[in-house]
Amino acid sequence: EAEVAQSPRYKITEKSQAVAFWCDPISGHATLYWYRQILGQGPELLVQFQDESVVDDSQLPKDRFSAERLKGVDSTLKIQPAELGDSAMYLCASSPSGDSYNEQFFGPGTRLTVL
Amino acid sequence: EDKVVQSPLSLVVHEGDTVTLNCSYEVTNFRSLLWYKQEKKAPTFLFMLTSSGIEKKSGRLSSILDKKELFSILNITATQTGDSAVYLCAVGYLIDYKLSFGAGTTVTVRA
Repeated sequence: EAEVAQSPRYKITEKSQAVAFWCDPISGHATLYWYRQILGQGPELLVQFQDESVVDDSQLPKDRFSAERLKGVDSTLKIQPAELGDSAMYLCASSPSGDSYNEQFFGPGTRLTVL
Repeated sequence: EDKVVQSPLSLVVHEGDTVTLNCSYEVTNFRSLLWYKQEKKAPTFLFMLTSSGIEKKSGRLSSILDKKELFSILNITATQTGDSAVYLCAVGYLIDYKLSFGAGTTVTVRA
């Protein structure tokens, strides 16, 4: 069964360092999402891509976060510099395009700890 | 401001019990309501509901949506320890394909 791949699974870094997360969506899925999930809360959307274009990045802290999906397939989320409050699970999800879909398929996530 | 509120926040039951989880929402451009199960990893999809009053079932799990009163219920019957997880409710929007999640309900099933 096709799955969303993410790496690394765990990342420990010190504050003010740079970190990067990678996501490979299910083949053929045009829409890709990055979420941040703080312990005890539901996932919060950071950025949404349709192919290589950003559809929504209104909740992305752009002073320190950036995201790209250059060829419309895999994607990278970067944080520079990391802050203590960035400690969270970063989830990537993908979905097919089309009018009838809201279902999103999630990857295993990257657990970030900032010390 | 859009809201997705789940209740209770957590509950503890014994194997064999039935649990009922609630999700209420106030959103514009509502399209669908989704339920996910999250163990110590990524959420896995359970149900997507778009029509009122039509129950969806999968084994011991079932869910229904009330678009007039703006809520959904997820039921788990004959609970097992493997049902222990966080259950997330999310609303899907008409115009784009975003999801807004509630904070989740943590279910603990004791043997």
